Parts: sequence; C-alpha cells; structure tokens
Amino acid sequence: LAKTTQPISMDSYEGQEVNITCSHNNIATNDYITWYQQFPSQGPRFIIQGYKTKVTNEVASLFIPADRKSSTLSLPRVSLSDTAVYYCLVQAGTALIFGKGTTLSVSS
Amino acid sequence: KAGVTQTPRYLIKTRGQQVTLSCSPISGHRSVSWYQQTPGQGLQFLFEYFSETQRNKGNFPGRFSGRQFSNSRSEMNVSTLELGDSALYLCASSLVGETAYEQYFGPGTRLTVT
Repeated sequence: LAKTTQPISMDSYEGQEVNITCSHNNIATNDYITWYQQFPSQGPRFIIQGYKTKVTNEVASLFIPADRKSSTLSLPRVSLSDTAVYYCLVQAGTALIFGKGTTLSVSS
Repeated sequence: KAGVTQTPRYLIKTRGQQVTLSCSPISGHRSVSWYQQTPGQGLQFLFEYFSETQRNKGNFPGRFSGRQFSNSRSEMNVSTLELGDSALYLCASSLVGETAYEQYFGPGTRLTVT
C-alpha cells in the first residue's frame, strides 16, 4: 500500500526559496504526483502536477527524480501570503493518498 | 465560472442518525471526489464518481456511500453516525478524472456528531 511522508512543518522568511519534499513508495509508473495548498477554513487549492523530471508553472516548480520515490515542491521567493499547509497527493491503485501536510510559516 | 459548492456548510447530528451532504461541481466537470478531513488523520479519500459510476474507492466502511446524478451533482450519505465521523467533508471536481488529478475543491461541510 502506498504511503507518503512529508515534514510536519517548515519555517522561512520572505523572499527565500522553499523546498518541500514528499516521499512516496509504490506508486505506479503512469501516475501523476500533485501538490495542493490549503488555508484555514478553505478547501485545498491545486498548485502543480507532474509525472517525471521537472515541471514549472507561474507559482511553483516540481522536481521528480527518475526513481519517482519522492518529489520536491519548490516555491520561489515566498511571501507572507504563502503561509499555509501544503499537501502532496499520489494515486495508489484505486485510491488517492494525501500526505499529512507540511505547515509552512513565512515570517517578515 | 462558479466554483464547487457544497451544502450545507455546517451540520450537527446525533449519534445513530444519518446525514446527506450535497456537492455541485464546476460546470462541465464530470468527476467528483469526496474526502474526509480530520486533525488526526488528515485528508482521506472516500470515493470518486465519474459519469454516475463509482470509479475509485478509499478504505471507509459501508456506512459511507455516495451517488452522482446525470448533471454531475453528487451526494454523500453517512448512516448510523458515530462520534468519530465528526469532520470536514470536502468535495472536489475535475474535468476529466483521469490520473491527472487537477481537482478543484469546495469549501467543505463541517459535520459535528454529538
């Protein structure tokens, strides 16, 4: 059964780059890895999704090594508004598995 | 384009009762997934419906069930409520519902079981 592991919390300062890694085993070769952001009292919001190597969009980058046993979400130049919980999501068979979430705190 | 809506937003029920939660996906989205979120267990996948058929299912007891209508709206039902069912129930919709799970979440229904 697939399992995901993320750091519980991370601290950063405004303007820094933040990298959050999610470890995941037993995911199928064709399954995507997705990252979500969640603010208090809101549903998760899609950030980025990848299958292999590197994906970049306007808000983040996602790095996936060849063995696909982990993925790293990279947030460039974080701001106070990036303070939130970040989740990785992988598919395991017919189920979707969320990580426990990483609480990112950004300070000025 | 309107986002995912969930009703009701808050609900208080008594142990042993049953409850039905409703979710209206983004227009054009055919896949609807349900999740339970609790402080202890985090986000847990319940099930996914696509074109009125349950396609994927998480590891929850049979008391948790759902359905999807022809307009893609979905309902989730929990029978014989237990105290441990108190949680935020989130609904998410996606355009295609394949392995590329770019899902859009609603605000959730906060269920409290007393």
